[in-house]
Order: sequence, then structure tokens, then C-alpha cells
Amino acid sequence: EIVMTQSPATLSVSPGERATLSCRASQSVSSNLAWYQQKPGQAPRLLIYGASTRATGIPARFSGGGSGTDFTLTISSLQSEDFAVYYCQQYNNWPTFGQGTNLEI
Amino acid sequence: QVQLVESGGGLVEPGGSLRLSCAASGFTFSEYYMSWIRQAPGKGLEWLSYISGSGSHINYADSVKGRFTISRDNAKNSLYLQMNSLRAEDTAVYFCARLRGSGGQYYFDYWGQGTLVTVSS
Repeated sequence: EIVMTQSPATLSVSPGERATLSCRASQSVSSNLAWYQQKPGQAPRLLIYGASTRATGIPARFSGGGSGTDFTLTISSLQSEDFAVYYCQQYNNWPTFGQGTNLEI
Repeated sequence: QVQLVESGGGLVEPGGSLRLSCAASGFTFSEYYMSWIRQAPGKGLEWLSYISGSGSHINYADSVKGRFTISRDNAKNSLYLQMNSLRAEDTAVYFCARLRGSGGQYYFDYWGQGTLVTVSS
């Protein structure tokens, strides 16, 4: 099983600022990495796949980078609706998720 | 638009069974792999199983292999998860999701809102 580790567990940022979230795989997953956003009581929403491709309807302020074992999700200018929990998921093998980063105000 | 609506969750005693359903609309259901994923209270996400569009290709996570069975009825645009021998640690919100990708490499592009399963005496 490929273990995904996200850091930090909690990130406190002010609206308008930039946020960078990290995700590390226990072995290479190439570019088979997705990011999801989840708000309380809601289903996760796909943000990024292929490590850097935005999903349909996702604003340009969300960007993904990295390959192999180290990945980042950057939100360039935080809006109020962006405060949520973010998960990374590798799909190079059986799907596994990171434990999440709580992005808070 | 793509919609996935789960149902069938509830309270069940340890050792009991439950069948979850997921009604799909807004896309050609039979053309897509589908999956079940769960989230224990306050915890992260755990992939459980996926099934091909025809139903001929199925895989399970080790944590549920032999206890859970995924199936689908393309005529009814529905996905199912039969859960047997339930344990307290199976308590979670269960999501159905549509898969994208190929060759055993899948991510999840649409998710339902989830249905809560509580295993307790």
C-alpha cells in the first residue's frame, strides 16, 4: 500500500493570502495524484488530477505541482469559500488518500 | 448534471448486514467505473471497492474483502454495496463516486452526499 502523508495537519491563513499544502507519497506515483476539497457535511469535490490539471469548473487560483513522491496544492489568493479540508489521493496503485490538511482562517 | 444519491444507511448491530444503494443520473451510467469510499467520523477517506461499467471487473480493499460485495444494475442506473458481518469499525459515512482514468489508475470526479452507517448494539 502506498502511504500518503500530508502536511501540515492544520494551516492557518488569512483571506487574500497564498496557501501551499504538501503531500508526500511513500513511493513514486508518477503524476497519478489528485486533490479534493471537502467542506463540513459535504462530499469531497475534485480539484486537481494528473498532479496539475484543474478539474472542470475549478478556479484558476487553484494549482497543483510535483511528480514522483512530492506534490503541492497552491491556492493563490484565498477566498472565504476556500476554507475547508483538503485531501490528496494517489492512483498509481490501489487508491489511497492522505489524512487531510485543515485550511482555517 | 451528474448526480449521485446514496441511500440505505442506518443503525445495525455488530454481525449484521446492510445494503447500500446509489442512484445515478446525468450521465451514461453503463460507460463508467463506479466506486464506494467511506469516511469514519472525524477521519479521512478510505477507498473500498470499484466495479467496471459492465460489472465484469471488480476490486476490493483488503479491509472489506470477503465481507462486502459491490454490484450494479445498469438498467436501473444503480450501484449497490452489500455489507455483511459488520463491525463497529465499519461505522462511517459511505460515499459512491464515479471513476475516471484507466488501466487500474483511477480518481474520483463526482461524489454523492453519502449515507451514514452506524454499527452498534
